[in-house]
Amino acid sequence: AQKITQTQPGMFVQEKEAVTLDCTYDTSDQSYGLFWYKQPSSGEMIFLIYQGSYDEQNATEGRYSLNFQKARKSANLVISASQLGDSAMYFCAMIPNAGNNRKLIWGLGTSLAVNP
Amino acid sequence: DGGITQSPKYLFRKEGQNVTLSCEQNLNHDAMYWYRQDPGQGLRLIYYSQIVNDFQKGDIAEGYSVSREKKESFPLTVTSAQKNPTAFYLCASSIRSGFYEQYFGPGTRLTVT
Repeated sequence: AQKITQTQPGMFVQEKEAVTLDCTYDTSDQSYGLFWYKQPSSGEMIFLIYQGSYDEQNATEGRYSLNFQKARKSANLVISASQLGDSAMYFCAMIPNAGNNRKLIWGLGTSLAVNP
Repeated sequence: DGGITQSPKYLFRKEGQNVTLSCEQNLNHDAMYWYRQDPGQGLRLIYYSQIVNDFQKGDIAEGYSVSREKKESFPLTVTSAQKNPTAFYLCASSIRSGFYEQYFGPGTRLTVT
């Protein structure tokens, strides 16, 4: 079954430190895309970073990087130099293939709190 | 500014009434989506549309209906047949369906009493 698992319901990090949010996925497809989104308390989902299954390099976007380990089926999000504004829910998601399946599969999220 | 608008932010309705949630985008995206989010849960797909005049059911379409008469607009109607309509509703769009990031609106929090 296609599935996303985020095992950390809540995480705490000190301001300016780095934090890793875990995400494992399950799919038998060879071609898929992985996404991370941030949801602040306001509710809007904000796209952070994308990794394609055939991308050889780990994706990076500013302070965000995706630690993609294909053999282990993991796509962990690394936030460097945490800021107070990083406090939010973080969701990992996957599109299993680019054929007829157009649906994002979502994890349950990890709540991150950044302490001053 | 390009983006997705949803209105209203908060909506209150009496049980038994149909209600329509608005979603408009000016990003020139072909694909649009409606999700429902309940506390402690991830997003669940209600309906999606890959192109104008076409839409498909998602995982929880029962009790909902949509239309896609214009590229910019994808309204969602929550009908009285939806058993538990109180939830946070998010609309999203992507340039096309497939491996493309989805951009989200601010959401509508619907409360039915």
